Amino acid sequence: DVKVTQSSRYLVKRTGEKVFLECVQDMDHENMFWYRQDPGLGLRLIYFSYDVKMKEKGDIPEGYSVSREKKERFSLILESASTNQTSMYLCASSTALSTDTQYFGPGTRLTVL
Amino acid sequence: RKEVEQDPGPFNVPEGATVAFNCTYSNSASQSFFWYRQDCRKEPKLLMSVYSSGNEDGRFTAQLNRASQYISLLIRDSKLSDSATYLCVVNTLSGGYQKVTFGIGTKLQVIP
Repeated sequence: DVKVTQSSRYLVKRTGEKVFLECVQDMDHENMFWYRQDPGLGLRLIYFSYDVKMKEKGDIPEGYSVSREKKERFSLILESASTNQTSMYLCASSTALSTDTQYFGPGTRLTVL
Repeated sequence: RKEVEQDPGPFNVPEGATVAFNCTYSNSASQSFFWYRQDCRKEPKLLMSVYSSGNEDGRFTAQLNRASQYISLLIRDSKLSDSATYLCVVNTLSGGYQKVTFGIGTKLQVIP
């Protein structure tokens, strides 16, 4: 069974703090993704990575950065958290050939005060 | 126009009913299509793929209509456990990458 884990289920941070969200997958998947999910807006892609040290912007990258130093780990960084970044953050992974079959982690509910 | 559009619902149906959801997509070059299921406060999980010839898995049937650019999901004999949000997913080749776009989801509530 594919397992995608995220470092925290719930996180509360203050405006201006630097926030790190970690994601680890154990199936040697090439592709990893970060989404945020908000009511009425659905899942929106922030960044994705098709290989180690490789990253591509998704639809809403502003205010975020990512890091992929190892194949199994994909980190999302909020350089200076703002209240409009309060959201559910979901990490996903997939094989190179099946980008559309994505396995999701349980999500991190981030609240920025 | 949104790339992938779904009626957010909720669809409230009694147990045993048949319910159908549609999802439209804007890019005629989109290549593959899927339905994901997301339970309340859980992550999305792949439910089934969608083919032009139709795809059936037990009580669930998915269909693709390329001419009208929509996909559908039919659930027969609804169970309480079918209550969830169903996400339509479209895969399009864009800029050399496969771009996967999720719809906002249709919420289904099956009532006893």
